[in-house]
Amino acid sequence: RKEVEQDPGPFNVPEGATVAFNCTYSNSASQSFFWYRQDCRKEPKLLMSVYSSGNEDGRFTAQLNRASQYISLLIRDSKLSDSATYLCVVNMRGSQGNLIFGKGTKLSVKP
Amino acid sequence: NAGVTQTPKFQVLKTGQSMTLQCAQDMNHEYMSWYRQDPGMGLRLIHYSVGAGITDQGEVPNGYNVSRSTTEDFPLRLLSAAPSQTSVYFCASSYPGRNYEQYFGPGTRLTVT
Repeated sequence: RKEVEQDPGPFNVPEGATVAFNCTYSNSASQSFFWYRQDCRKEPKLLMSVYSSGNEDGRFTAQLNRASQYISLLIRDSKLSDSATYLCVVNMRGSQGNLIFGKGTKLSVKP
Repeated sequence: NAGVTQTPKFQVLKTGQSMTLQCAQDMNHEYMSWYRQDPGMGLRLIHYSVGAGITDQGEVPNGYNVSRSTTEDFPLRLLSAAPSQTSVYFCASSYPGRNYEQYFGPGTRLTVT
């Protein structure tokens, strides 16, 4: 079983739509959770950390369910500029910052 | 701050050649790492360093060497390039107190023929 699994997509949605991405992780020792965004041929950039209580940043909402080992990202009112690949990332306790990346979910927002 | 910088942006090597990919950061981050990204594989950790003078292997270290003589620099050396090392290489850095949120350089696209 892969350590971090994501639906690769692509998710093709119209502008203004709400879209949700899911991610599961296999290691219960995972301690920190993130969503990164990667534009085509660019480096990954941190979108948001994911906290146990859930957190929101503008149109983006992240949720963590430790019991089910499941992370989600909700994007409301999608913009053309949201088109990118979204990477689910975990860091295990004691791993000294070594991140484990999912393969990413590709989002394409159409006019 | 320049953040994390990498050179070169692009490189073509012949099989058997060696080279060094450069990475530098000006954020005084203790933790630095190298990843490679291949189509369909996601990012995989090659080597990492938790501070000057300390390095360790990641998931895919074979064929690569690193050293960390200063906090700022973390070069990645390809000892004898192979076509399987054709990839995009990203350097990243982070400060442990920030929950290991990592900042990436722009990447080096390497082709080995």
